[in-house]
Amino acid sequence: GENVEQHPSTLSVQEGDSAVIKCTYSDSASNYFPWYKQELGKGPQLIIDIRSNVGEKKDQRIAVTLNKTAKHFSLHITETQPEDSAVYFCAARNTGRRALTFGSGTRLQVQP
Amino acid sequence: EAQVTQNPRYLITVTGKKLTVTCSQNMNHEYMSWYRQDPGLGLRQIYYSMNVEVTDKGDVPEGYKVSRKEKRNFPLILESPSPNQTSLYFCASSPTGGRGNEQFFGPGTRLTVL
Repeated sequence: GENVEQHPSTLSVQEGDSAVIKCTYSDSASNYFPWYKQELGKGPQLIIDIRSNVGEKKDQRIAVTLNKTAKHFSLHITETQPEDSAVYFCAARNTGRRALTFGSGTRLQVQP
Repeated sequence: EAQVTQNPRYLITVTGKKLTVTCSQNMNHEYMSWYRQDPGLGLRQIYYSMNVEVTDKGDVPEGYKVSRKEKRNFPLILESPSPNQTSLYFCASSPTGGRGNEQFFGPGTRLTVL
């Protein structure tokens, strides 16, 4: 089955700096890669996703890149703000399996 | 408001005492799923349902049961809970189970089995 590894497990940055979280996946058939943000006491919420036919996608301060050959994808947050502090999860899915496989999560702390 | 609701939000129980965690969505979604979240392991899928009366095992189904008698409800049943089922549980739903459909998560249920 699919295996998703996520790094780092914790990340501390200064407000205004950029943050990068990286994930690798094992199943070359995976074709959908969402990123979720989980705030304290809440369920995960989708913030951005990318499909395997696209190499990069951007939404304001958030961008995701995908390298299918190397089987890794990354989340980039620019101009970080204290409200970006949360746990971020990457995930991967292939159509056949229909289940999301999640990474282990990254706790991002943005220092004011 | 479109949402996924779970009850209870917190539960402390003892080994062997049957319990049910309810999940309901008001978005008319076909696909529903249960995950458990444990430190360092991310979220792992327990069971999922593609539609009414259709359920299937996820990655960690042992010790759990589900049912899907109505489209909006997807209860998680622990017939004989054990301490290793102490975890944070999330229900999720999406319009279909295919690729590219956002999954909407409930607020979570923190379960402690003594």
